[in-house]
Amino acid sequence: SQTIHQWPATLVQPVGSPLSLECTVEGTSNPNLYWYRQAAGRGLQLLFYSVGIGQISSEVPQNLSASRPQDRQFILSSKKLLLSDSGFYLCAWSVEAGITDTQYFGPGTRLTVL
Amino acid sequence: GQNIDQPTEMTATEGAIVQINCTYQTSGFNGLFWYQQHAGEAPTFLSYNVLDGLEEKGRFSSFLSRSKGYSYLLLKELQMKDSASYLCAALSSGGSYIPTFGRGTSLIVHP
Repeated sequence: SQTIHQWPATLVQPVGSPLSLECTVEGTSNPNLYWYRQAAGRGLQLLFYSVGIGQISSEVPQNLSASRPQDRQFILSSKKLLLSDSGFYLCAWSVEAGITDTQYFGPGTRLTVL
Repeated sequence: GQNIDQPTEMTATEGAIVQINCTYQTSGFNGLFWYQQHAGEAPTFLSYNVLDGLEEKGRFSSFLSRSKGYSYLLLKELQMKDSASYLCAALSSGGSYIPTFGRGTSLIVHP
């Protein structure tokens, strides 16, 4: 069966510091991968998605970036965190099955920027 | 553009039935998802509807009307553990097949 891992689970970082969040998927090949952010009281905001190694699409211009160095690894980074980067970061995967592309989420990383 | 509307919060009594509504406007339509999200946890997949009608999965059922741009999630025999946020997400037919999520409905089940 497929599993998705994210780490760290929680993170407290000062403003201006760098960020690296990692997501890995097991049990499937060539998944679509996604990074979402969920701010308190708000919906899921899609940040990046990837349909293959080295292929990254950005949905929202900001100080974050993403990379996919391996088929089942997706990394979210920042060179300098802002206060507004605080939130719950969720990685998700899906595989194309006709027109259905159900997303399955990882456990998330709660980031607090102080 | 795409727009998803669902109530912000609902309350219900243990053992009762609750219906959570969702209306959507999308560029084309390729289905609607419902997810459950407990506080501090990731969303978990509940259902996917692409054809009109009701689909039942145990205590949870999901309904879709494509002509009305409307869906609902029906929870029967409510339990305290059903207290969670319920996210509606609509899939448009153009391009990347990435769903647009609503802000979620926070359901509080009380004894």
